[in-house]
Amino acid sequence: KNQVEQSPQSLIILEGKNCTLQCNYTVSPFSNLRWYKQDTGRGPVSLTIMTFSENTKSNGRYTATLDADTKQSSLHITASQLSDSASYICVVTLNSGNTPLVFGKGTRLSVIA
Amino acid sequence: GAGVSQSPSNKVTEKGKDVELRCDPISGHTALYWYRQSLGQGLEFLIYFQGNSAPDKSGLPSDRFSAERTGGSVSTLTIQRTQQEDSAVYLCASRPYTLATEAFFGQGTRLTVV
Repeated sequence: KNQVEQSPQSLIILEGKNCTLQCNYTVSPFSNLRWYKQDTGRGPVSLTIMTFSENTKSNGRYTATLDADTKQSSLHITASQLSDSASYICVVTLNSGNTPLVFGKGTRLSVIA
Repeated sequence: GAGVSQSPSNKVTEKGKDVELRCDPISGHTALYWYRQSLGQGLEFLIYFQGNSAPDKSGLPSDRFSAERTGGSVSTLTIQRTQQEDSAVYLCASRPYTLATEAFFGQGTRLTVV
């Protein structure tokens, strides 16, 4: 069964601290993996995409990693800001044209002053 | 507009009533998805439209749920005889057919069944 598991379910950190969110997947055949940020009351917005051949990709203070062998991805946030408070959702696309995206349940991050 | 547009943004309905939720995808996007997000939960797949192919309805939770996509563009999600457990945010997303591109989400419709 195609699944995407995220951990932790929720996380509270102090402003300025770093954190790492985890995503494990059992999706096959894998095409790509995206991390989305979902602010409260809004739709998810893509942060970064990882394809099979990519190990690390950065987007500002966000760095995503992918280990296709162990089927794990992480999202590292550096020097967190209050505006980073959101849900972070890991989404995997199957390498097939007529299959839905497979979503994780997300990690709810709260950054406090 | 440039993004995915959903309407209404909020809907409160009485139990047992029917509701229609609308999604206007990004122009030219051939794939359209409906998802449901209950409070504190992840995104639950409902239905997927891809071009002129038969939709993937495997995520619809019951026969009270149905969706149409007219002319390959606008989509309507209909919930008949609404129940309180239908209360959730209903998100629509569209993307071009190419696998490597991202899905673009609307702001969602918050449905509350009282």
